[in-house]
Formats: sequence, structure tokens, C-alpha cells
Amino acid sequence: GAVVSQHPSWVICKSGTSVKIECRSLDFQATTMFWYRQFPKQSLMLMATSNEGSKATYEQGVEKDKFLINHASLTLSTLTVTSAHPEDSSFYICSLNRGAEAFFGQGTRLTVV
Amino acid sequence: AQSVTQLGSHVSVSEGALVLLRCNYSSSVPPYLFWYVQYPNQGLQLLLKYTSAATLVKGINGFEAEFKKSETSFHLTKPSAHMSDAAEYFCAVSSAGGGNKLTFGTGTQLKVEL
Repeated sequence: GAVVSQHPSWVICKSGTSVKIECRSLDFQATTMFWYRQFPKQSLMLMATSNEGSKATYEQGVEKDKFLINHASLTLSTLTVTSAHPEDSSFYICSLNRGAEAFFGQGTRLTVV
Repeated sequence: AQSVTQLGSHVSVSEGALVLLRCNYSSSVPPYLFWYVQYPNQGLQLLLKYTSAATLVKGINGFEAEFKKSETSFHLTKPSAHMSDAAEYFCAVSSAGGGNKLTFGTGTQLKVEL
């Protein structure tokens, strides 16, 4: 398998500030990681594909300037929510694939007040 | 293009009863199919997966699922529900040629009653 560590597990921030979420692969070098968003009582929606050493690929409707993704190494991808607003409050989850199987981080609960 | 439909956003069973969570998929290429479980405020844990080998797949915690191409289904079952099975369950589809992107169903909340 693969171990994926996501940090922080929860964060509260003020409206207008930026928040960085880290996703680390602890035992596997991942050239690609995925970032998902999950609203309460809803499914996971893919936001973007994080590519090591190159630009992320964003899904339709996701603002790339608001959700900055950096994949600077094979074991770390970061998602920065810039100028956060209450509507950005959500559960964010990262994942990576090893073969055909996806492994998920523990998720980050973001609350913007 | 690929999609997943989970019938029933909420399923309630008695402890010891059969669990059946339904999943139908749509895919233009041979699919990989997955069932994940999610507990509150946690990430997803893989229960089982189908990747074109045996059509009856056994997973963790006594769960199993059968891939039926003719019905485009991948329903999840467990013979006897336990209280600890109460959680949110997601069916997902991907394809090897699609960069392994997962498309999730809307989820089914399983409630287990005494």
C-alpha cells in the first residue's frame, strides 16, 4: 500500500486569509496526486490533479488562482486556499495512486469564519 | 466518460441482517471499480476493488461485491451487519487509460440498528 499524511486535520481561519494544506506520501514517490473537496453529506469532487514538477490540472469550474497547488517533490503536494471565504469551508482530501489503487489522506476540515 | 450511480442515499438495517448497497456504473472503457468507507471527519478506506480479475471480489470486514457487466453493476454486500459498519460508503470508478482519476458516487449512509 501507501501511507498518505495530510496536515492539518482541521483549521479555522478568518475570511480573507490564506490557508495551506499539505499532503505527504510517506513511503512512495508519487508523480501525481489528487485533491478532492467534499461538502457535508455529499460526495467527493475532484478539484485538480497535482503533477510533480509541472502545473496542476484543474477540473472545470475550479478557480486555479484561488486554489494554488504546488507539487515540488515526489512526496509532497500542497493546496493553498487563497483569500478564503466562508463558502470555501469544506473537507479537503488528497490522494495518490499506486497502481490501480488510490490511497487517501485523513482529510482537512477547513472552516472560514 | 464515466459515472457512478448509488441507489439509496440512506440504508438502514438491523444488526445481523444482510447489507446490500447498490452501485451502477457507466464507462466507455473496461472499468476499475472500488468501494470505499468513510467515517466522520476521516479520509476514505478501501473496502475492495475490481480490476478485471475475478468478478466476485472479497474485501475487508466481511464485505464483498460482484461485478456484473451485463447489468453494469457492482453492488456491495455483507451477510451480517455489525454496529461498527455504520458509516458512509462510496462506490467509485476509474479506468487505466483515464489517468486513474476516480469518479465517485453520491454515497450511501448505512445505519445499523439494534
